[in-house]
Amino acid sequence: LAKTTQPISMDSYEGQEVNITCSHNNIATNDYITWYQQFPSQGPRFIIQGYKTKVTNEVASLFIPADRKSSTLSLPRVSLSDTAVYYCLVGDPLGTGFQKLVFGTGTRLLVSP
Amino acid sequence: DAGVIQSPRHEVTEMGQEVTLRCKPISGHNSLFWYRQTMMRGLELLIYFNNNVPIDDSGMPEDRFSAKMPNASFSTLKIQPSEPRDSAVYFCASRRDSTGELFFGEGSRLTVL
Repeated sequence: LAKTTQPISMDSYEGQEVNITCSHNNIATNDYITWYQQFPSQGPRFIIQGYKTKVTNEVASLFIPADRKSSTLSLPRVSLSDTAVYYCLVGDPLGTGFQKLVFGTGTRLLVSP
Repeated sequence: DAGVIQSPRHEVTEMGQEVTLRCKPISGHNSLFWYRQTMMRGLELLIYFNNNVPIDDSGMPEDRFSAKMPNASFSTLKIQPSEPRDSAVYFCASRRDSTGELFFGEGSRLTVL
């Protein structure tokens, strides 16, 4: 399993762009990078998933360099409601090999007014 | 879609009592996961079912824990006997293997006195 490393916490202000980087040096060929968001008293929620280069949806962008040993979740113009814990997961989400989906410690983002 | 449904949302019990947590996955999803979340240990994967078959239970802490999935629409996680250190939020998640995205329930908060 590819181990991930993320910052424990980050602080930002409303309206700023936030970039959270995840390191995954031993990512495997079939592994994808997936990010989840968790609010207090709720289960994690899928944000975005990618394999290489750049993926964008209505919530965030995911940047993955060519070597795929790291990835960056970008949240444009954050608001107070973006305060949450963000988890980076690396694994084969489509595999029939019964891959575990292991959450690391996550990054606690605090957005202030 | 109703989403993943867990019950009970909250349970307070005394040490030594049996606890049963229930989960109804999203219809059509063929994988089901039980996670446990605590402040100290974060989000831990306990067991993983695929097509109702337990695939990986290496995360189950000890013999006091057991999980079943008698059909595609129902799973239980049982703790017998319960101990104070089992106090945590237990999440159930389901996944359609063709997409890889995990959908979490709202969790069951267990307090063992």
